[in-house]
Amino acid sequence: KAGVTQTPRYLIKTRGQQVTLSCSPISGHRSVSWYQQTPGQGLQFLFEYFSETQRNKGNFPGRFSGRQFSNSRSEMNVSTLELGDSALYLCASSTGRTQETQYFGPGTRLLVL
Amino acid sequence: GQQLNQSPQSMFIQEGEDVSMNCTSSSIFNTWLWYKQDPGEGPVLLIALYKAGELTSNGRLTAQFGITRKDSFLNISASIPSDVGIYFCAVWFRDDKIIFGKGTRLHILP
Repeated sequence: KAGVTQTPRYLIKTRGQQVTLSCSPISGHRSVSWYQQTPGQGLQFLFEYFSETQRNKGNFPGRFSGRQFSNSRSEMNVSTLELGDSALYLCASSTGRTQETQYFGPGTRLLVL
Repeated sequence: GQQLNQSPQSMFIQEGEDVSMNCTSSSIFNTWLWYKQDPGEGPVLLIALYKAGELTSNGRLTAQFGITRKDSFLNISASIPSDVGIYFCAVWFRDDKIIFGKGTRLHILP
């Protein structure tokens, strides 16, 4: 069974631009969660999508948004990029049942200049 | 917000040594998780703990769910080079999201 894939793996943007990251979950998984990982703050939960609906949300500004498609693939968008948005963005997929194991992708490393 | 205090932040050990790290919280949690992240990869679940006092092993790894439900410990015995990476403790918060500690970075000296 193929694992979680994320594209692109690396991205360089400048302040003020916007960016879209993509995540393809494990086949059959309906939940996709997104996390931001930085050296200072560690791994922080952004949001979770289940069956095309946002089911949970972390404490990030509205510039961070996401969506999920009918095939469970998910995209995350960050608008008006700031230097502090430079981070590794990880997605994780699961069946969506309570406390089911989350399987992480390799992440997209975003650098904002 | 909820916070997990993980220590130490980093460790430098010799190959073959045993490793201990821990995670504490001011709140009670019903599930503790331990993940490992290799360089360039996402975290991978190593051990999940569901019951206070539970001791669970996965090969050379042993983790314990503290009796107070506010802490957890991870031990690695006879470390080998592939143990290098970042180890995260984590908890399920209200059953709907995972909160991670800031990680313990393990380095193994040749």
